[in-house]
Amino acid sequence: NAGVTQTPKFRILKIGQSMTLQCAQDMNHNYMYWYRQDPGMGLKLIYYSVGAGITDKGEVPNGYNVSRSTTEDFPLRLELAAPSQTSVYFCASSRKLAGGPYEQYFGPGTRLTVT
Amino acid sequence: RKEVEQDPGPFNVPEGATVAFNCTYSNSASQSFFWYRQDCRKEPKLLMSVYSSGNEDGRFTAQLNRASQYISLLIRDSKLSDSATYLCVVIEEYGNKLVFGAGTILRVKS
Repeated sequence: NAGVTQTPKFRILKIGQSMTLQCAQDMNHNYMYWYRQDPGMGLKLIYYSVGAGITDKGEVPNGYNVSRSTTEDFPLRLELAAPSQTSVYFCASSRKLAGGPYEQYFGPGTRLTVT
Repeated sequence: RKEVEQDPGPFNVPEGATVAFNCTYSNSASQSFFWYRQDCRKEPKLLMSVYSSGNEDGRFTAQLNRASQYISLLIRDSKLSDSATYLCVVIEEYGNKLVFGAGTILRVKS
């Protein structure tokens, strides 16, 4: 299993440009998530999905959009990039452990700089 | 008040030392708790789950105090390779959203 994969690893955008951060998982997990992590800060949830066709906002959704047409893929779209969106973006998927809580698997992250 | 709070550190300790981190959470309905480890410029990785009865995994011991709403992580016999940021993570009542603390930095020195 490749686990959770993210592309690109790095990207520099100009203000106002758009881009899509790709995320895929091959573990057949229903739950998928997008987080951002600013320097010295914890992870903040942007959007999450509990299954194909279902998405919901997290703590910091403004400026982002998502879609979940398949179980495997969960792309994150930035429509009009702003400097405040400079961050490291992590995609994650999760499964519920038997009789226990959820365990999340993270992708390696995308480092985005908006100038 | 932040939902999950941690002392950011850094904790600078010599090899072989015992070090403990605490984390407090504000939502009394939180149901699951974890410690994650994050190396510099890498993704977080699950270190251990935290159970009410406390649990141990080698040199690592995690404790949960629901009455006081805090979680702790104890690392014994610290190794250089333990240097990382330790993230306290709480699952809210509906089980599908993790809330992360900002992390505690540990630096183990020889």
